[in-house]
Amino acid sequence: QKEVEQNSGPLSVPEGAIASLNCTYSDRGSQSFFWYRQYSGKSPELIMFIYSNGDKEDGRFTAQLNKASQYVSLLIRDSQPSDSATYLCAIRSGGSYIPTFGRGTSLIVHP
Amino acid sequence: SAVISQKPSRDICQRGTSLTIQCQVDSQVTMMFWYRQQPGQSLTLIATANQGSEATYESGFVIDKFPISRPNLTFSTLTVSNMSPEDSSIYLCSVQLNTEAFFGQGTRLTVV
Repeated sequence: QKEVEQNSGPLSVPEGAIASLNCTYSDRGSQSFFWYRQYSGKSPELIMFIYSNGDKEDGRFTAQLNKASQYVSLLIRDSQPSDSATYLCAIRSGGSYIPTFGRGTSLIVHP
Repeated sequence: SAVISQKPSRDICQRGTSLTIQCQVDSQVTMMFWYRQQPGQSLTLIATANQGSEATYESGFVIDKFPISRPNLTFSTLTVSNMSPEDSSIYLCSVQLNTEAFFGQGTRLTVV
């Protein structure tokens, strides 16, 4: 059973701060790691993906992957109220084309 | 990218009835996926719909309850049959292009 664990939150940060979202997974064969953002009442949209250990930066977003410790994180710098949403971690193993989703972490950025 | 049109966006249904959700993709895709997202929960895969063959259902989901059609490479339907209040949820269709998953707008179903 592949499991993807996320703290449901809510995580509350002030505007301008760094928001840190974490995700752990159980399947050591996992190869692809994704972060989706889901605004309330909307469908998920991809914001980052990472395949290799280390950091990957895209604008204000940084994904961090540590396969040895089986966690992936998302950092959001200079958080804005518009970043308030639920962030879903999704993971694909090498033998599957279907991602397994975590339950998501609710992020609230307050002015 | 892929643009997915899903309808209806929401519905309120009486228990014991059925609702069919439609999903139209702007490009041809081999597989389409149907998810359920209950309040505060993750996306749970219901089934994978392949054109020209029966859908593949995940554990806990059966064809009699969630029949799926896939008549061509751009269209699929999911029917929620004999509904009960426990079926109240958001239902999402999805496709994958390269490694990215794209989702329809979702159908918010309330069963009363």
